[in-house]
Parts: sequence; structure tokens; C-alpha cells
Amino acid sequence: AQSVTQLGSHVSVSEGALVLLRCNYSSSVPPYLFWYVQYPNQGLQLLLKYTSAATLVKGINGFEAEFKKSETSFHLTKPSAHMSDAAEYFCAVTLYNNNDMRFGAGTRLTVKP
Amino acid sequence: DGGITQSPKYLFRKEGQNVTLSCEQNLNHDAMYWYRQDPGQGLRLIYYSQIVNDFQKGDIAEGYSVSREKKESFPLTVTSAQKNPTAFYLCASSMEESNQPQHFGDGTRLSIL
Repeated sequence: AQSVTQLGSHVSVSEGALVLLRCNYSSSVPPYLFWYVQYPNQGLQLLLKYTSAATLVKGINGFEAEFKKSETSFHLTKPSAHMSDAAEYFCAVTLYNNNDMRFGAGTRLTVKP
Repeated sequence: DGGITQSPKYLFRKEGQNVTLSCEQNLNHDAMYWYRQDPGQGLRLIYYSQIVNDFQKGDIAEGYSVSREKKESFPLTVTSAQKNPTAFYLCASSMEESNQPQHFGDGTRLSIL
């Protein structure tokens, strides 16, 4: 079965610094990969998705992620952190159908002024 | 605007009481899902439904029940058999194709009195 592992339950960066949130996946066939963001007491919002087209995927709010098959990774980056980026971020993977979307445990991003 | 509406936002349950969480969507999605979110554990699938009058158990269905009488609605009942119901519950919907993201409501936080 497919799965994702998010490395680091908590990441702290300074405002203006690079954001790097790590996600590694496990699957026996090419996966579809997603990054979601969750603000306190809200649902998840889609940031970006990889669906086997371009390996570098650009999303909303200046985020992007690169699919690296050799490393089984789909890390999320943003060149310059903003205070409004403070939230929890989830990586997710599906294979054959959306009924089996698997989520990582989440990474809480803190942005220091 | 299309979206998913969950109600109530906060819900309190007494011991031994069943409670029902509402989820309505106007996205014309066929598939709907219920997840439970606990701190540090990501999202765990409770039930999903691919079509009206049909639903399947997810990973943690014990102590929960659902119905899907209308395409737009997928209510979740937390029964007294669920011994640890305190959690944040998220409803989602999607198109059937596995490369499509799931769209989420803003969640219901259930607490035990």
C-alpha cells in the first residue's frame, strides 16, 4: 500500500528565509502526490498536486514542489517565508483511486519575525 | 461559490449519547469522505461513499455510522460505541479520478462533557 512520511513534525524559520518541508512517498506504481495546508480550526486547502506531468509543480501562495522519483521525494519549498505561511502542512498520496488517499502526519511551520 | 459545509463547528456530547455531524456539498462530486484528525496523527479515514446509497468502511469505522441518501449529503453519526470520540472531524469530497484532489469542509470539533 502507498504511504507518505513527513520528516519533521515542526519546522521553524525566520520571515524571509527559505521554507523546506520534506515528504517521502512509498508506492509500487507511479503515484499522484498532493500538498495541503491547514490553518487552525479549519479544513485542508490544496496547495499543489503532481499528476505525472511536469516534475516541478507550482502552487498557490508562492509554494512549489519537485517530484524526484530516484529519491521518492516530493518536498515543498518557498523561497521567502511570510508570517501568513504559519500553518500545518500535509503531504498526501493516491494511486488508483481517491478512496485510498494517504496523508502524512503533518508538519507545523512556525515563522519568526 | 461551490464548497463543503460542515455543521456544527463545535459539538459537545454526553457519555452514552449518539451525535450526528452534518456534511453538505454543492460541488456535484460523486465521492464523499469522513476523516478523523488527532494531534500528530494526520488524517484517518472513517467512511467513504462513491455513489448514493452506497458506502464503505475506512480504517477506523468502529463506533461510527453514515448514510448517503442524497448526492449532496453525507452525515456521520458518532455512536456511544465510540469510546474515544473527542477529535476534529473533517468531511471531504472529490471527483472519481485518482488524480483529482479532495476538497474539505472546515471541520467539526467534537468534545465529551
